[in-house]
Amino acid sequence: EPEVTQTPSHQVTQMGQEVILRCVPISNHLYFYWYRQILGQKVEFLVSFYNNEISEKSEIFDDQFSVERPDGSNFTLKIRSTKLEDSAMYFCASRSETYHYGYTFGSGTRLTVV
Amino acid sequence: KNEVEQSPQNLTAQEGEFITINCSYSVGISALHWLQQHPGGGIVSLFMLSSGKKKHGRLIATINIQEKHSSLHITASHPRDSAVYICAPLEGKTGNQFYFGTGTSLTVIP
Repeated sequence: EPEVTQTPSHQVTQMGQEVILRCVPISNHLYFYWYRQILGQKVEFLVSFYNNEISEKSEIFDDQFSVERPDGSNFTLKIRSTKLEDSAMYFCASRSETYHYGYTFGSGTRLTVV
Repeated sequence: KNEVEQSPQNLTAQEGEFITINCSYSVGISALHWLQQHPGGGIVSLFMLSSGKKKHGRLIATINIQEKHSSLHITASHPRDSAVYICAPLEGKTGNQFYFGTGTSLTVIP
């Protein structure tokens, strides 16, 4: 079964550093998403991406964050100048044009900012 | 903003019991997504439904769009069903999911 692949699975970074989280969505999917889950809290929407541009973003997704689809297969989330409160699990997900077929989630990247 | 409530928050059951998890939301939607989050953190899509009922193995999901309520049932529960179950309504126009329930943590004891 097709998978969404996320790398790395765990990243530790110093406060103030930039991190790039990588995702390879399912190849024929058209919608891509980033979500985050702070430990013990609910999953939160960050951003949706369609047709090579951001279609929706949440209040969390401020200027510190950016997304790119640099080569038609990878989908990246960049966090500039990380803060302690950015420590969370970050999930990538993708879906086809018809959402009734469901979303496929990656296994997540656990980001720890120290 | 769609307020999503799940109940119960925590549930412990004996193996074999019938389980019900409820989800209610405040704003009309196009469909609702049930997700399972494993103890290791990974998230799996279980059901996407916009009306009636869907069944997959021992899992059954129902939705009443007018009452803004959905339920997830597990028949003959098994310890491997232990996980967090999360509901997420899909926004009407785009099918994007912006809001998630806090999840129901299920533990099934052998």
